[in-house]
Amino acid sequence: SAVISQKPSRDICQRGTSLTIQCQVDSQVTMMFWYRQQPGQSLTLIATANQGSEATYESGFVIDKFPISRPNLTFSTLTVSNMSPEDSSIYLCSVETGRNEKLFFGSGTQLSVL
Amino acid sequence: GDSVTQMEGPVTLSEEAFLTINCTYTATGYPSLFWYVQYPGEGLQLLLKATKADDKGSNKGFEATYRKETTSFHLEKGSVQVSDSAVYFCALSRTTGNQFYFGTGTSLTVIP
Repeated sequence: SAVISQKPSRDICQRGTSLTIQCQVDSQVTMMFWYRQQPGQSLTLIATANQGSEATYESGFVIDKFPISRPNLTFSTLTVSNMSPEDSSIYLCSVETGRNEKLFFGSGTQLSVL
Repeated sequence: GDSVTQMEGPVTLSEEAFLTINCTYTATGYPSLFWYVQYPGEGLQLLLKATKADDKGSNKGFEATYRKETTSFHLEKGSVQVSDSAVYFCALSRTTGNQFYFGTGTSLTVIP
C-alpha cells in the first residue's frame, strides 16, 4: 500500500497567478500520476511523472500550463500556471503500486480561481 | 478508444435497501476493472477489482462481477448503510500501459 500526502488541501487564487501542489508518498514509487476532477465530471489524467525524465502529458494538457517536477522517487509537484476560472477543479496525485494493480490517491487539492 | 460509462446519480436509498450501480466499458483486449469510492472530504480509495472475465471482486459487502459478454461491471450491495454514502467511480485499466479510465462517478446518499 501507499500513503500519499497532498498539499495544499484547498486554495483560492487570483486569475493570472500560479499554484504549486505538492505530493509526498511514504514509499518509493516509479510512476506518479496527476489527475484533474472537474465538478460533475470524471477524473482526467493530466500527466504521468517518472523520476529522472520529463513528464508525459495527455492530449489537451501542455507543460507550459502544467509544469511537473519529479526530483526523487517519493515526491512530485504540479504547478497550475497563469490560472483562469476554468482551472477551478480538484487536482489529485496518485501512484500505482504494481502493473495494473491499483491506484492510490492523495486527498486532493480543491482549487478555486476567482 | 477505451472508456467507462456508469449510471448517473445522485442515488438516494433508505438504510438496508439493495444497491446497484451500473457500469459498462469499452476497451480493446482484456482490461482490469475497478470500483473506487470517495467518502466526503477524502481521496479516492480502491473498493474492489477484477482482473479477468467472470472474476468477482468483493469488499465491505459490495460485489461486482466482470462480465465480458455484456462488457459490464455492476456494483451491488444487499443492504446499504448510512456510512456507505459516498461517490463511487468505475474504472478500467488496460493490460498494457498505465492509463486508467474513470467513469463520471455516482453519488450515493443513504438515509436512516
